[in-house]
Amino acid sequence: KAGVTQTPRYLIKTRGQQVTLSCSPISGHRSVSWYQQTPGQGLQFLFEYFSETQRNKGNFPGRFSGRQFSNSRSEMNVSTLELGDSALYLCASSWLGQKFNEQFFGPGTRLTVL
Amino acid sequence: AQTVTQSQPEMSVQEAETVTLSCTYDTSESDYYLFWYKQPPSRQMILVIRQEAYKQQNATENRFSVNFQKAAKSFSLKISDSQLGDAAMYFCACISQGGSEKLVFGKGTKLTVNP
Repeated sequence: KAGVTQTPRYLIKTRGQQVTLSCSPISGHRSVSWYQQTPGQGLQFLFEYFSETQRNKGNFPGRFSGRQFSNSRSEMNVSTLELGDSALYLCASSWLGQKFNEQFFGPGTRLTVL
Repeated sequence: AQTVTQSQPEMSVQEAETVTLSCTYDTSESDYYLFWYKQPPSRQMILVIRQEAYKQQNATENRFSVNFQKAAKSFSLKISDSQLGDAAMYFCACISQGGSEKLVFGKGTKLTVNP
């Protein structure tokens, strides 16, 4: 079974631009979560989608948004990029069929904002 | 709100020796899970071991085991017979049951394994 895939793997943008990152979960997984990883703040939860609905959202400004499609693939968008948005963005998928749902992580998208 | 604290930014161990990574957490939930994730230089997060809060028995996965002290809200990871491939960032994380898949992570501990 293929793992979680994220595209692109690397991205360079300039301040003020917007960016869209994509995540394809493991087949059969219906929940997709997004995390931001920076040296200063560590790993922080952005949001989680299940059945095309955002179920939970972290403490990030409205410039960060996401969506999930009917095939469970998810995208996250960051508008009006700031230097502080430079980070590794990790996506994780889970099955949600039992009480404990292991999250499987993708390789991440490294975003650099210049 | 949940918090996870890892007080050791860096640790080192000799190959074949044993090392323990510390983690404390705080949560108001009664039903939660605790995890240790490994993140090697490739940045791929890998689940090492998990512990269900209502289980008193400490989880074990091959060379990895935990010391779960629920009253003290402590969750340490012991790596036995350390191998060069164990070198990585290790993150302690907590998730509570409640309809959300939100993992709360500690800041991480960088483990170096010396040959």
